[in-house]
Amino acid sequence: GESVGLHLPTLSVQEGDNSIINCAYSNSASDYFIWYKQESGKGPQFIIDIRSNMDKRQGQRVTVLLNKTVKHLSLQIAATQPGDSAVYFCAENTNAGKSTFGDGTTLTVKP
Amino acid sequence: NAGVTQTPKFQVLKTGQSMTLQCAQDMNHNSMYWYRQDPGMGLRLIYYSASEGTTDKGEVPNGYNVSRLNKREFSLRLESAAPSQTSVYFCASSERGGGVEKLFFGSGTQLSVL
Repeated sequence: GESVGLHLPTLSVQEGDNSIINCAYSNSASDYFIWYKQESGKGPQFIIDIRSNMDKRQGQRVTVLLNKTVKHLSLQIAATQPGDSAVYFCAENTNAGKSTFGDGTTLTVKP
Repeated sequence: NAGVTQTPKFQVLKTGQSMTLQCAQDMNHNSMYWYRQDPGMGLRLIYYSASEGTTDKGEVPNGYNVSRLNKREFSLRLESAAPSQTSVYFCASSERGGGVEKLFFGSGTQLSVL
C-alpha cells in the first residue's frame, strides 16, 4: 500500500536542507486546508492554503501536497533557513464549519 | 495596518476573579474568533462571531462569555476564573466566503490563574 508520512511533534533539520512536515486530517468532508506558522511568543501566521480540488500548490519556498485518499497533507520547505524555526500547524475546514487545527510540529533548524 | 490587536498581553488572576480580554481588528472582517492554546497542543475554538450581532459556541465554551461589540471588537470574559483556564488566548478574524476561512491572529494573551 501507499506509505503515509508520519506526523512528528518535532523535526530537526540542517540549514539548507529541505523540510517535510506531515499532517493527517480527520474529516472526509473537509474541502479547504491551510498551513500556519507560529513563531515563539506570536500568533499563528498564514503560510499557504489548498482547496480539495487540487493535489499540489506551490508558494515561495513552500509546497503543500494533499492526498485525499489517505487524508494526508504535507508542507515542504525548500532550503530551510534559521528563520523557518517555528511550530507549524495544519488546519482543515468544511464549507459550513470552523477550522480544526492539528497538534503542530516544532521545526528546529540547525546552523 | 495593525491587523488584530489583543489586550492585555499578560495577566495573572486568582481563582474566582473575573476579567475581560479585548480584541479589535482593523481589516473590516466579518468573522471573529477566540481560541485557546495549551502547551504542546493545537488551538481550540472557544467562541466565534460569524458577523456583527451574532455569536456561537465553539469546541470549549464552558466558563466563558463573549460580546461582539461592533464589527471591529470582540471581547472574551471569564466570570469566575479557574486554574484550568490557564492558557494562551488568541483572537482571530477572517473574511469568510466560499468555504475559505483564512485566519489572521493577534499576538496572544498569556493568562495564569492561581
